[in-house]
Formats: sequence, structure tokens, C-alpha cells
Amino acid sequence: KAGVTQTPRYLIKTRGQQVTLSCSPISGHRSVSWYQQTPGQGLQFLFEYFSETQRNKGNFPGRFSGRQFSNSRSEMNVSTLELGDSALYLCASSLRVAYNEQFFGPGTRLTVL
Amino acid sequence: GENVEQHPSTLSVQEGDSAVIKCTYSDSASNYFPWYKQELGKRPQLIIDIRSNVGEKKDQRIAVTLNKTAKHFSLHITETQPEDSAVYFCAEGANSKLTFGKGITLSVRP
Repeated sequence: KAGVTQTPRYLIKTRGQQVTLSCSPISGHRSVSWYQQTPGQGLQFLFEYFSETQRNKGNFPGRFSGRQFSNSRSEMNVSTLELGDSALYLCASSLRVAYNEQFFGPGTRLTVL
Repeated sequence: GENVEQHPSTLSVQEGDSAVIKCTYSDSASNYFPWYKQELGKRPQLIIDIRSNVGEKKDQRIAVTLNKTAKHFSLHITETQPEDSAVYFCAEGANSKLTFGKGITLSVRP
């Protein structure tokens, strides 16, 4: 089976812009979670989707949003970008719920200038 | 709210020695405790996990122990090798999400 894929892999944006990141889970996996990774902060949970429904959300402002499609592919959107949004954004898929084994994608490196 | 703390934040050991990394958590509802390894420039990968109905689990050189009363769990790596050098993340699973610690950098000196 193909692994989790994320597009794009690298992105450079300026403050105030918005960005959309995409995640394709492993075939058959219905749960997709998103994380923000920054040096010293580890992996911070953004949200989890299952069967097109957001089941849980982390402590991020409303500028961060996401959705999941019927084929389990997921997107996350960040509006009005700030310098502090620069990070590696990882998505992870799992078979049913977030606390089965999660398989991570390679991440999207977002740089906000 | 959920909070996972890892300590120490960095650990350096001599090749062949053992390494122990500890995590504490706060959510009593947590019932799933995975450990992920992230090598430089790569994605995190699950190396071992344990559920709350088990106290210990072993897989070759790696073991995880769980103390639910004290709310802590530990990763044990024996006979460390240079390829064990990486960042290790613990996490707790509750309410359909995983909460990760900030990670520990393990360096294995040859």
C-alpha cells in the first residue's frame, strides 16, 4: 500500500495570505489527524477527521480549519498567515480512531515571510 | 486538559548502554500510549505502543512500561546503537486524539 502523502512539500507565503495543504491517507484509513511541529514544541494537535466529520480540535485559533472528503482525503487551511505559523505540518492517518497506530506523511514545510 | 511531559529533554549514552526515557500524563481517561521515533528530516514512526490493560510490552531491544496509578510510562532501549539516535516522542490517547510530548533527543556515542 502507498503511504500517506502530502502536497505540497514546501511552501513560502507572506503574512496575511492564506494557504491550503492536502493530505491523502493510506487506502482504507478513515481517520486523518493534523499536527503542527515546531522546534521545541513537539507535535501539537490541530484536529482529527473521521468520515468527513471533525471529531476533535486542538487549541489553535479559528484561522486554522480543515475538512475531509468522502474519499478520506483531507485538507487544512490557514487564513491570514502570521510569522508564527511557520512550521512543519504533518498529517497522520489511522484505520479507525486516532489512537490506533497513526502513520505520518512527510509533512509540508510552510515558511511565512 | 491533557498534558504530556517528557524528561529528560536530551539524553546522551555510550553505544551498548541502556537508555530510559520517561513520560508523565495527566488525563485519567487515557488508555493508549505510543512511542514515536523521528530521525532527522524524516517523519515520525511508531516504534512501540501499550494499552492501559497491560503493564509492560517488549519488542526486541525496546520495551515500554506503564504505571497507571502514578500516570507515567517509560521507554527502555537496551544495547543502544548509533542508529537509535533520534528524537523520541511519547503520546497519550484519549477522546479520539493523541497528545504528544515535546520530544527527547537521544544521542548514542559510538
